[in-house]
Amino acid sequence: NAGVTQTPKFRVLKTGQSMTLLCAQDMNHEYMYWYRQDPGMGLRLIHYSVGEGTTAKGEVPDGYNVSRLKKQNFLLGLESAAPSQTSVYFCASNRQVNTGELFFGEGSRLTVL
Amino acid sequence: GQQVMQIPQYQHVQEGEDFTTYCNSSTTLSNIQWYKQRPGGHPVFLIQLVKSGEVKKQKRLTFQFGEAKKNSSLHITATQTTDVGTYFCAGSNRDDKIIFGKGTRLHILP
Repeated sequence: NAGVTQTPKFRVLKTGQSMTLLCAQDMNHEYMYWYRQDPGMGLRLIHYSVGEGTTAKGEVPDGYNVSRLKKQNFLLGLESAAPSQTSVYFCASNRQVNTGELFFGEGSRLTVL
Repeated sequence: GQQVMQIPQYQHVQEGEDFTTYCNSSTTLSNIQWYKQRPGGHPVFLIQLVKSGEVKKQKRLTFQFGEAKKNSSLHITATQTTDVGTYFCAGSNRDDKIIFGKGTRLHILP
């Protein structure tokens, strides 16, 4: 099993460009999350999903959109990238929110110039 | 909204010394989790605490959940170089969000 796979691993964008980060999990997990990690800021929740077809806002949702059309995939979109969105993005999944163990992907490092 | 605060932000210890990081939530939590992230890596799950006053041990690591389920701590006895990394607490309540603290970065001095 691959676990949680994020693509791409690295990307450089110009301000105003759009892109989509893909997260795929093969563990049949219901819950999926997108976090961003910045130095000294820990992991901040962007959006999350409690099942196929559902999404909800986290702590820092502005400037991002998400979709969960298939249970195994959770997409994070940036419609018009800004330098403030330069960060490392982590996707995570778990079976249920109260059963512990978030499984994380390797991360996607995004730079917006 | 729910906030999870973690202190200290950084900790330098001599190898063999003990280390403790503290986590406090602005709301009562359903559970709290602890993760470790090595430099350049992704967070890896260590443990989950669910019950009020719960204490769990993993070898040299001791985890506690407060009686009010609003605070937690991770204590490492006799640190080793392999303990280097950032330790995060993460709390969830009934709204399905899992909110992380800012983490404590542990440096081990040989």
